Amino acid sequence: GDSVTQMEGPVTLSEEAFLTINCTYTATGYPSLFWYVQYPGEGLQLLLKATKADDKGSNKGFEATYRKETTSFHLEKGSVQVSDSAVYFCAFLWGGNQFYFGTGTSLTVIP
Amino acid sequence: KAGVTQTPRYLIKTRGQQVTLSCSPISGHRSVSWYQQTPGQGLQFLFEYFSETQRNKGNFPGRFSGRQFSNSRSEMNVSTLELGDSALYLCASSQQGNEQFFGPGTRLTVL
Repeated sequence: GDSVTQMEGPVTLSEEAFLTINCTYTATGYPSLFWYVQYPGEGLQLLLKATKADDKGSNKGFEATYRKETTSFHLEKGSVQVSDSAVYFCAFLWGGNQFYFGTGTSLTVIP
Repeated sequence: KAGVTQTPRYLIKTRGQQVTLSCSPISGHRSVSWYQQTPGQGLQFLFEYFSETQRNKGNFPGRFSGRQFSNSRSEMNVSTLELGDSALYLCASSQQGNEQFFGPGTRLTVL
Protein backbone atom coordinates (compact mmCIF):
# COMPACT_ATOMS: atom_id res chain seq x y z
CA GLY A 1 0.00 0.00 0.00
CA ASP A 2 0.88 3.68 -0.11
CA SER A 3 3.43 4.67 2.52
CA VAL A 4 6.34 6.89 3.47
CA THR A 5 9.65 5.55 4.77
CA GLN A 6 11.72 8.04 6.65
CA MET A 7 15.18 7.82 8.13
CA GLU A 8 15.00 6.92 11.79
CA GLY A 9 16.50 9.16 14.41
CA PRO A 10 17.46 10.61 16.61
CA VAL A 11 20.09 12.56 14.71
CA THR A 12 22.63 14.66 16.60
CA LEU A 13 24.86 17.10 14.74
CA SER A 14 27.26 19.85 15.62
CA GLU A 15 26.44 23.38 14.55
CA GLU A 16 27.39 24.09 10.91
CA ALA A 17 27.36 20.40 9.98
CA PHE A 18 25.65 19.11 6.82
CA LEU A 19 22.24 17.52 7.27
CA THR A 20 20.53 14.83 5.21
CA ILE A 21 17.29 13.14 6.22
CA ASN A 22 16.25 10.42 3.80
CA CYS A 23 12.67 9.94 2.69
CA THR A 24 11.21 7.55 0.13
CA TYR A 25 7.60 6.94 -0.76
CA THR A 26 5.46 4.23 -2.24
CA ALA A 27 2.48 5.42 -4.23
CA THR A 28 0.61 4.29 -7.31
CA GLY A 29 0.97 7.64 -9.05
CA TYR A 30 2.83 10.92 -8.72
CA PRO A 31 1.98 12.54 -5.42
CA SER A 32 2.81 15.98 -4.09
CA LEU A 33 5.65 15.81 -1.56
CA PHE A 34 6.17 17.79 1.64
CA TRP A 35 8.49 18.28 4.55
CA TYR A 36 7.00 19.47 7.82
CA VAL A 37 8.85 20.58 10.96
CA GLN A 38 7.64 20.41 14.55
CA TYR A 39 9.36 22.53 17.17
CA PRO A 40 9.01 21.54 20.84
CA GLY A 41 5.51 22.13 22.18
CA GLU A 42 4.07 23.16 18.83
CA GLY A 43 2.08 21.72 15.95
CA LEU A 44 3.57 20.86 12.57
CA GLN A 45 4.58 23.63 10.17
CA LEU A 46 5.09 23.25 6.44
CA LEU A 47 8.80 23.60 5.67
CA LEU A 48 8.82 23.02 1.91
CA LYS A 49 7.03 21.18 -0.85
CA ALA A 50 7.32 19.94 -4.44
CA THR A 51 4.41 19.02 -6.65
CA LYS A 52 6.04 17.39 -9.69
CA ALA A 53 9.11 15.46 -10.71
CA ASP A 54 12.43 17.34 -10.57
CA ASP A 55 10.87 20.21 -8.61
CA LYS A 56 13.08 21.52 -5.84
CA GLY A 57 11.45 22.87 -2.72
CA SER A 58 13.47 25.23 -0.53
CA ASN A 59 12.98 27.29 2.60
CA LYS A 60 15.18 28.58 5.45
CA GLY A 61 18.26 26.98 3.88
CA PHE A 62 16.60 23.56 3.59
CA GLU A 63 16.17 21.91 0.21
CA ALA A 64 14.59 18.75 -1.19
CA THR A 65 14.28 17.54 -4.77
CA TYR A 66 11.44 15.38 -6.06
CA ARG A 67 13.15 12.35 -7.62
CA LYS A 68 10.61 10.30 -9.51
CA GLU A 69 13.09 7.63 -10.61
CA THR A 70 14.07 6.81 -7.03
CA THR A 71 10.73 7.86 -5.45
CA SER A 72 12.67 9.97 -2.98
CA PHE A 73 12.48 13.42 -1.42
CA HIS A 74 15.55 13.73 0.81
CA LEU A 75 15.86 16.82 3.01
CA GLU A 76 19.22 18.62 3.06
CA LYS A 77 20.77 21.65 4.68
CA GLY A 78 24.33 22.73 4.22
CA SER A 79 24.95 24.23 7.66
CA VAL A 80 22.60 23.50 10.54
CA GLN A 81 22.01 25.80 13.48
CA VAL A 82 20.95 25.13 17.05
CA SER A 83 17.57 26.65 16.18
CA ASP A 84 17.00 23.84 13.63
CA SER A 85 16.59 21.35 16.46
CA ALA A 86 13.14 19.89 15.91
CA VAL A 87 11.30 16.84 14.56
CA TYR A 88 11.06 16.62 10.77
CA PHE A 89 8.26 14.77 8.97
CA CYS A 90 8.19 13.72 5.35
CA ALA A 91 4.71 13.45 3.81
CA PHE A 92 2.91 13.01 0.53
CA LEU A 93 -0.51 13.83 -0.79
CA TRP A 94 -2.13 11.47 -3.19
CA GLY A 95 -5.65 11.31 -4.51
CA GLY A 96 -6.38 14.92 -3.60
CA ASN A 97 -7.19 14.45 0.05
CA GLN A 98 -5.24 11.63 1.70
CA PHE A 99 -2.00 12.62 3.40
CA TYR A 100 0.61 10.03 4.36
CA PHE A 101 3.22 10.97 6.98
CA GLY A 102 6.53 9.39 7.86
CA THR A 103 7.38 8.53 11.44
CA GLY A 104 9.40 11.69 12.01
CA THR A 105 13.12 12.25 12.55
CA SER A 106 14.29 14.05 15.66
CA LEU A 107 17.22 16.40 15.07
CA THR A 108 19.35 17.90 17.83
CA VAL A 109 22.02 20.42 16.94
CA ILE A 110 24.66 21.06 19.56
CA PRO A 111 26.78 24.22 19.73
CA LYS B 1 -5.83 34.97 7.98
CA ALA B 2 -6.09 33.36 11.37
CA GLY B 3 -4.49 29.95 11.65
CA VAL B 4 -6.00 26.69 12.78
CA THR B 5 -7.15 26.90 16.37
CA GLN B 6 -7.74 24.04 18.76
CA THR B 7 -9.44 24.06 22.12
CA PRO B 8 -8.70 23.26 24.80
CA ARG B 9 -4.91 23.23 24.67
CA TYR B 10 -4.57 20.96 27.68
CA LEU B 11 -6.93 18.46 29.21
CA ILE B 12 -6.74 16.01 32.08
CA LYS B 13 -9.30 13.22 32.34
CA THR B 14 -9.65 9.94 34.17
CA ARG B 15 -10.16 6.49 32.73
CA GLY B 16 -13.69 5.79 31.61
CA GLN B 17 -14.59 9.40 30.99
CA GLN B 18 -15.25 10.90 27.59
CA VAL B 19 -13.75 13.96 25.98
CA THR B 20 -14.57 16.33 23.14
CA LEU B 21 -11.92 18.33 21.32
CA SER B 22 -12.62 21.22 19.00
CA CYS B 23 -10.90 22.51 15.89
CA SER B 24 -11.55 25.67 13.88
CA PRO B 25 -9.95 25.54 10.43
CA ILE B 26 -8.51 28.37 8.43
CA SER B 27 -11.25 30.39 6.79
CA GLY B 28 -12.17 28.88 3.44
CA HIS B 29 -10.69 25.47 4.19
CA ARG B 30 -13.28 22.74 3.93
CA SER B 31 -11.12 19.73 4.74
CA VAL B 32 -10.25 18.95 8.36
CA SER B 33 -8.08 16.03 9.44
CA TRP B 34 -7.29 14.70 12.89
CA TYR B 35 -4.12 12.97 14.05
CA GLN B 36 -2.95 11.36 17.25
CA GLN B 37 0.70 11.88 18.13
CA THR B 38 2.47 9.79 20.74
CA PRO B 39 6.19 9.29 21.39
CA GLY B 40 6.01 5.60 20.57
CA GLN B 41 3.68 5.59 17.56
CA GLY B 42 4.46 8.87 15.87
CA LEU B 43 1.72 10.60 13.90
CA GLN B 44 -1.34 8.42 13.42
CA PHE B 45 -4.19 9.45 11.11
CA LEU B 46 -7.62 9.36 12.76
CA PHE B 47 -10.07 10.71 10.16
CA GLU B 48 -10.71 13.42 7.62
CA TYR B 49 -13.86 15.43 7.02
CA PHE B 50 -14.90 17.43 4.01
CA SER B 51 -18.16 19.34 3.76
CA GLU B 52 -19.57 17.60 6.85
CA THR B 53 -18.80 14.12 5.48
CA GLN B 54 -16.16 11.72 6.71
CA ARG B 55 -14.06 10.87 3.65
CA ASN B 56 -11.20 8.90 5.16
CA LYS B 57 -10.73 6.98 8.36
CA GLY B 58 -7.66 5.58 10.03
CA ASN B 59 -7.33 2.38 11.99
CA PHE B 60 -8.75 3.42 15.36
CA PRO B 61 -11.49 1.80 17.46
CA GLY B 62 -15.05 3.06 17.39
CA ARG B 63 -14.47 4.95 20.64
CA PHE B 64 -12.93 7.63 18.46
CA SER B 65 -15.47 9.61 16.48
CA GLY B 66 -15.77 12.99 14.88
CA ARG B 67 -18.01 15.36 13.05
CA GLN B 68 -17.87 18.51 11.02
CA PHE B 69 -20.30 21.37 11.06
CA SER B 70 -21.58 23.49 8.21
CA ASN B 71 -19.02 26.23 9.04
CA SER B 72 -16.23 23.59 8.67
CA ARG B 73 -15.47 23.56 12.38
CA SER B 74 -14.83 20.04 13.58
CA GLU B 75 -15.00 18.11 16.82
CA MET B 76 -13.60 14.77 17.78
CA ASN B 77 -14.87 12.68 20.65
CA VAL B 78 -13.23 9.89 22.55
CA SER B 79 -15.46 7.80 24.79
CA THR B 80 -14.47 5.45 27.60
CA LEU B 81 -10.99 6.87 27.85
CA GLU B 82 -8.03 4.56 28.38
CA LEU B 83 -4.57 5.36 29.67
CA GLY B 84 -3.19 4.75 26.18
CA ASP B 85 -5.28 7.58 24.79
CA SER B 86 -2.91 10.07 26.39
CA ALA B 87 -1.44 11.94 23.45
CA LEU B 88 -1.19 15.16 21.53
CA TYR B 89 -4.20 15.44 19.21
CA LEU B 90 -3.53 17.52 16.15
CA CYS B 91 -6.00 19.02 13.77
CA ALA B 92 -5.10 20.15 10.26
CA SER B 93 -7.08 21.98 7.61
CA SER B 94 -6.55 22.30 3.90
CA GLN B 95 -8.07 23.33 0.64
CA GLN B 96 -8.67 20.47 -1.73
CA GLY B 97 -5.41 19.05 -3.05
CA ASN B 98 -3.12 21.40 -1.12
CA GLU B 99 -0.87 21.25 1.90
CA GLN B 100 -2.28 20.85 5.37
CA PHE B 101 -2.02 23.56 7.99
CA PHE B 102 -1.79 22.34 11.55
CA GLY B 103 -3.10 23.70 14.80
CA PRO B 104 -1.03 23.71 18.01
CA GLY B 105 -2.72 20.57 19.28
CA THR B 106 -4.59 19.50 22.38
CA ARG B 107 -2.53 17.68 24.98
CA LEU B 108 -4.75 15.01 26.59
CA THR B 109 -3.63 13.25 29.72
CA VAL B 110 -5.64 10.30 30.99
CA LEU B 111 -5.08 9.33 34.62
